Amino acid sequence: NAGVMQNPRHLVRRRGQEARLRCSPMKGHSHVYWYRQLPEEGLKFMVYLQKENIIDESGMPKERFSAEFPKEGPSILRIQQVVRGDSAAYFCASSPGKGSLEQYFGPGTRLTVL
Amino acid sequence: EDQVTQSPEALRLQEGESSSLNCSYTVSGLRGLFWYRQDPGKGPEFLFTLYSAGEEKEKERLKATLTKKESFLHITAPKPEDSATYLCAVRLYGQNFVFGPGTRLSVLP
Repeated sequence: NAGVMQNPRHLVRRRGQEARLRCSPMKGHSHVYWYRQLPEEGLKFMVYLQKENIIDESGMPKERFSAEFPKEGPSILRIQQVVRGDSAAYFCASSPGKGSLEQYFGPGTRLTVL
Repeated sequence: EDQVTQSPEALRLQEGESSSLNCSYTVSGLRGLFWYRQDPGKGPEFLFTLYSAGEEKEKERLKATLTKKESFLHITAPKPEDSATYLCAVRLYGQNFVFGPGTRLSVLP
């Protein structure tokens, strides 16, 4: 049973470009969470999605960031017009839902903005 | 404000030297407390979920306990491969999780 998959593992962008981060949840999981981790800091919640729905985006910056989890395909975290402060590790986690609160994390995407 | 703190920030142990890590929380509504292990450059690995005060969970050399205000992760006779950052997180009555900053554990042979 494959775990949570994220790609790319490393992404380099210049200021002003767009970054697209992908997350494929574990088989049978319909809930996806995105987190950001800055160097020497803890994980910060960004957004919680179920298939085709954003459930909680209270941790997502209002500008330039968006997330989706379509009926088919992976969840996408999109960052428009990236700035140096966006450089971080972005992790997604999936959960089966149905009363289970346990999250299983992917390996992360390390975004570097030049 | 919902807050999760962990202590110590870093801990160095000799192999076989048992110790405990602390996770304290002040949250308005707790739906569960979670422990994870994170190795450098990797995503957190799920260890335990605790739901109510008095609950305990064990896995190999690790044992997690929960009270109304804090949780402890006890490490018995640790080995060098237990070296990692240990994270705790609380699930609130909303939908999101709040993570603590972690404890960096180093176990020396």
